[in-house]
Amino acid sequence: RKEVEQDPGPFNVPEGATVAFNCTYSNSASQSFFWYRQDCRKEPKLLMSVYSSGNEDGRFTAQLNRASQYISLLIRDSKLSDSATYLCVVGTDNYGQNFVFGPGTRLSVLP
Amino acid sequence: SAVISQKPSRDICQRGTSLTIQCQVDSQVTMMFWYRQQPGQSLTLIATANQGSEATYESGFVIDKFPISRPNLTFSTLTVSNMSPEDSSIYLCSVQGGLQETQYFGPGTRLLVL
Repeated sequence: RKEVEQDPGPFNVPEGATVAFNCTYSNSASQSFFWYRQDCRKEPKLLMSVYSSGNEDGRFTAQLNRASQYISLLIRDSKLSDSATYLCVVGTDNYGQNFVFGPGTRLSVLP
Repeated sequence: SAVISQKPSRDICQRGTSLTIQCQVDSQVTMMFWYRQQPGQSLTLIATANQGSEATYESGFVIDKFPISRPNLTFSTLTVSNMSPEDSSIYLCSVQGGLQETQYFGPGTRLLVL
């Protein structure tokens, strides 16, 4: 089993749709959780951290379920500019080492 | 977040040669990381570059193939040695920082080995 797994995608959704991505991780000792986005031919960029209490940033909501070892990202009112690959990232310590990147889920928002 | 630059941004190389990639950060950072992202794949950590000591390599990566230097707290190099077409990939450096203690990436170096 891979350490971090994500919905295989791709997701093709119309503008304004709500889309949810799922991610599961296998290491119960994981301590830090993030969502990154990667645009085509660009480097990954931090989208948001994921906290146990859940967190929201505008149209984006992230949830963490430690018991189920599950992370989600919800995008509401999707925009064309949201088209990208979304990477789930899990860390087993807070010092950068052992950050594991999921395979990514590609999203295409269509006009 | 830190501003990170990489050189070269891309290169096309012949098999058997070596390429050194530079990573420069605009602030002092303790930990720098080198990743590889093969076409259509996610990121795989190659090694952690430690200032003043040898790099720490992940399983499947060895110093002879990917020697790393870290002469100071703002700079690191990764060399891809004796290249083969299988080394064609994007190589990214990253640093850890920020309030969220996450990683920030350089723009990457696109390598094609013929």
